[in-house]
Amino acid sequence: GENVEQHPSTLSVQEGDSAVIKCTYSDSASNYFPWYKQELGKGPQLIIDIRSNVGEKKDQRIAVTLNKTAKHFSLHITETQPEDSAVYFCAASPSSYKLIFGSGTRLLVRP
Amino acid sequence: DAGVIQSPRHEVTEMGQEVTLRCKPISGHDYLFWYRQTMMRGLELLIYFNNNVPIDDSGMPEDRFSAKMPNASFSTLKIQPSEPRDSAVYFCASRPPGTGARNTIYFGEGSWLTVV
Repeated sequence: GENVEQHPSTLSVQEGDSAVIKCTYSDSASNYFPWYKQELGKGPQLIIDIRSNVGEKKDQRIAVTLNKTAKHFSLHITETQPEDSAVYFCAASPSSYKLIFGSGTRLLVRP
Repeated sequence: DAGVIQSPRHEVTEMGQEVTLRCKPISGHDYLFWYRQTMMRGLELLIYFNNNVPIDDSGMPEDRFSAKMPNASFSTLKIQPSEPRDSAVYFCASRPPGTGARNTIYFGEGSWLTVV
């Protein structure tokens, strides 16, 4: 079955710097790759997603890139702010009905 | 829309007791998922339903766990008897219908379970 690996597990950046989180997946049939942000005490919330027919997608300070050949995708956050501090999860969808999540990255943005 | 609603938000129970977690999916969504989150194992899919029918329960850890969806607006996850290793956050999530549509899954706030 699908396996998603996520790195790093923790990331600390200075406010204003960029943050990059990387994920790899194993199932070449996966065609949908969402990213979720989870704040303390809350459920994961979708922040951006990308389908396999697109190489890059951007939404304000957040961007996601996908390399299908290498089976990896990345989340880029620019001009980080303290409110970006949270746990971020990548996921891959091997079918229309399932998401397999990475292990999460705890991002800390230092003021 | 109110989003996915879960109850209780927090539950502390003694080992051996029965625990029932409840979920109301977003109206109009035809997929419902139960996930479990722990530090050790991250987010694990336990079971999911489509149109109230269980489709894949391969993630259910053992027979002590059971899930039902009697109608489109309600689902339960039951643990009987509960054990300390069941302590985790249990998330319910739902997804809108449509083949080829975005596979966006919307999560509830979670039920924090502690078994002592």
